[in-house]
Amino acid sequence: AQSVAQPEDQVNVAEGNPLTVKCTYSVSGNPYLFWYVQYPNRGLQFLLKYITGDNLVKGSYGFEAEFNKSQTSFHLKKPSALVSDSALYFCAVRDLGFQKLVFGTGTRLLVSP
Amino acid sequence: DTGVSQDPRHKITKRGQNVTFRCDPISEHNRLYWYRQTLGQGPEFLTYFQNEAQLEKSRLLSDRFSAERPKGSFSTLEIQRTEQGDSAMYLCASSLVGSGLRNQPQHFGDGTRLSIL
Repeated sequence: AQSVAQPEDQVNVAEGNPLTVKCTYSVSGNPYLFWYVQYPNRGLQFLLKYITGDNLVKGSYGFEAEFNKSQTSFHLKKPSALVSDSALYFCAVRDLGFQKLVFGTGTRLLVSP
Repeated sequence: DTGVSQDPRHKITKRGQNVTFRCDPISEHNRLYWYRQTLGQGPEFLTYFQNEAQLEKSRLLSDRFSAERPKGSFSTLEIQRTEQGDSAMYLCASSLVGSGLRNQPQHFGDGTRLSIL
């Protein structure tokens, strides 16, 4: 079965510093990977996806993600963090043969001023 | 594009009561999904529709749960005889699939938070 793991419950970073939120995956076949962000009492907002092609994927709000097949990772990155980036971030993989997304447990990002 | 709309945003009810939630997807989106999210966890898939056909149901969807999408537009999720363990955020998402439209992202609503007293 497809799965993703987010090894960090929380990531703390100072405003203006680069941030990385980690995700590793386990799939059969080609991985279809996604990152979503969730603000308090809100639904999930799509940030970016990897299907095929370039290993560096650019998304919304200045976020990007690096796909690494050998390390089975899909880490989310941003060169310069903003306080408003503080939220819950979810990595997800599309289930093979089905249409559902399988989510990780989430990583809380806290950006301090 | 007005986004995915869910109603109500919050529902508080007593154990044993029935509840129904509504989801209005992004117009023209032919796929609609329901997920459940409990505190500290990622969303878990419940079921999805392609137009009006319900194509997949999770084992999480017990006999007390039923979902419909009668005209291929809005959807309802009903929980009968609610239990404490049903307390969660219920999220709806939609996407557009078709020829040349593969792996499109799912767009989520803000959810309905259900609290069982």
